Amino acid sequence: EVQLVESGGGLVQPGGSLRLSCAASGFTFSSYWMSWVRQAPGKGLEWVANIKQDGSEKYYVDSVKGRFTISRDNAKNSLYLQMNSLRAEDTAVYYCARVGVYYDFWSGYFNWFDPWGQGTLVTVSS
Amino acid sequence: DIQLTQSPSFLSASVGDRVTITCRASQGISSYLAWYQQKPGKAPKLLIYAASTLQSGVPSRFSGSGSGTEFTLTISSLQPEDFATYYCQQLNSYPPWGFGPGTKVDIK
Repeated sequence: EVQLVESGGGLVQPGGSLRLSCAASGFTFSSYWMSWVRQAPGKGLEWVANIKQDGSEKYYVDSVKGRFTISRDNAKNSLYLQMNSLRAEDTAVYYCARVGVYYDFWSGYFNWFDPWGQGTLVTVSS
Repeated sequence: DIQLTQSPSFLSASVGDRVTITCRASQGISSYLAWYQQKPGKAPKLLIYAASTLQSGVPSRFSGSGSGTEFTLTISSLQPEDFATYYCQQLNSYPPWGFGPGTKVDIK
């Protein structure tokens, strides 16, 4: 069974740091782009970051650039999100997701997020 | 960055109703669009990718259409388990791959 399990969330003070982990199983982790998505309480989904299979390409939403770092360890089938200089507005449930891909000769690469982990809650408050 | 809007933001419907949700992109994204369903306290679930391709295991009452800037998600006959919030996501070229604001489907 393909599965993603996040951990590492919790309560942290503004300006503090936290490292989230996502353990993958049931598929060849090293073959997929991976992503982090967050959802503030009562709000919609916000894409946070993506990382390529070998870690050589990384992309971030503007609001976390310079503060968050996405990384992965393919030997451990694990994805990480190092979060520094945390702010109240970073309070959210953080999900990891596998980036699915399909190549069409005429249209190029189609992507989607599936599966998703169950999420881990990060609360930034004093 | 490409912005997505969804309409309506809230929809009240009855079991058996045909429901249509619209997602509009601020610029053309070909068919690089996915749809997700999210129930309270749960992770999102992929329904459709490439605008119209049904994910394996998703009931056939769900369908997607559109290309360019306007897309629709249709539920042909609403079932009790379909009451949830639905999000579109654009995955055009490189990230950011943003989401629409969501459409909540509630029981009438």
